[in-house]
Amino acid sequence: DVKVTQSSRYLVKRTGEKVFLECVQDMDHENMFWYRQDPGLGLRLIYFSYDVKMKEKGDIPEGYSVSREKKERFSLILESASTNQTSMYLCASSLYSRANYGYTFGSGTRLTVV
Amino acid sequence: DAKTTQPNSMESNEEEPVHLPCNHSTISGTDYIHWYRQLPSQGPEYVIHGLTSNVNNRMASLAIAEDRKSSTLILHRATLRDAAVYYCILRDVSGGGSNYKLTFGKGTLLTVNP
Repeated sequence: DVKVTQSSRYLVKRTGEKVFLECVQDMDHENMFWYRQDPGLGLRLIYFSYDVKMKEKGDIPEGYSVSREKKERFSLILESASTNQTSMYLCASSLYSRANYGYTFGSGTRLTVV
Repeated sequence: DAKTTQPNSMESNEEEPVHLPCNHSTISGTDYIHWYRQLPSQGPEYVIHGLTSNVNNRMASLAIAEDRKSSTLILHRATLRDAAVYYCILRDVSGGGSNYKLTFGKGTLLTVNP
């Protein structure tokens, strides 16, 4: 089975800490995405990447950055974590060349910033 | 982006068919209709997609209106494991990489009664 693996299921960090959320896919997909999900707000796109070292802002990029040094790995970075970044973070990937192809999501990382 | 409209919630009984509607009156000719579902405490899962013709797979069927302004996801026999939030999403495949992102709405919360 194809997989998107997120490094942590649950994470607790302190305000002001630098936080790294890691995502790895084993499907050789070009596209990778980071979403956050909050009650009442649904899934919102933070950043995405459609090639190594390429990134594009999503709908809510403020307070986040990303890194894609290798095709299979896409990292989300919270430069200085704040309590309003407490959320469920979801990583996804898809094929670039087949735009009508489905996305595969990871199981999510529930981040709590205290 | 073309928008979709779904009921907030629906209820069904186990082993009965479920028809989940989606309106997308501003759909363009290059929009594919995608359906995802999200089980509790998991990331979204691809269900099915289509362009103009009805589609079937092992999970569900997708019925697309002739004018493409609406579609219906059909679960032929609902089980308790089908209780989830179902998202109907339009995906424009005409452009470059930025058009490959998925924009999620609020979806329909499906409750399945035993």
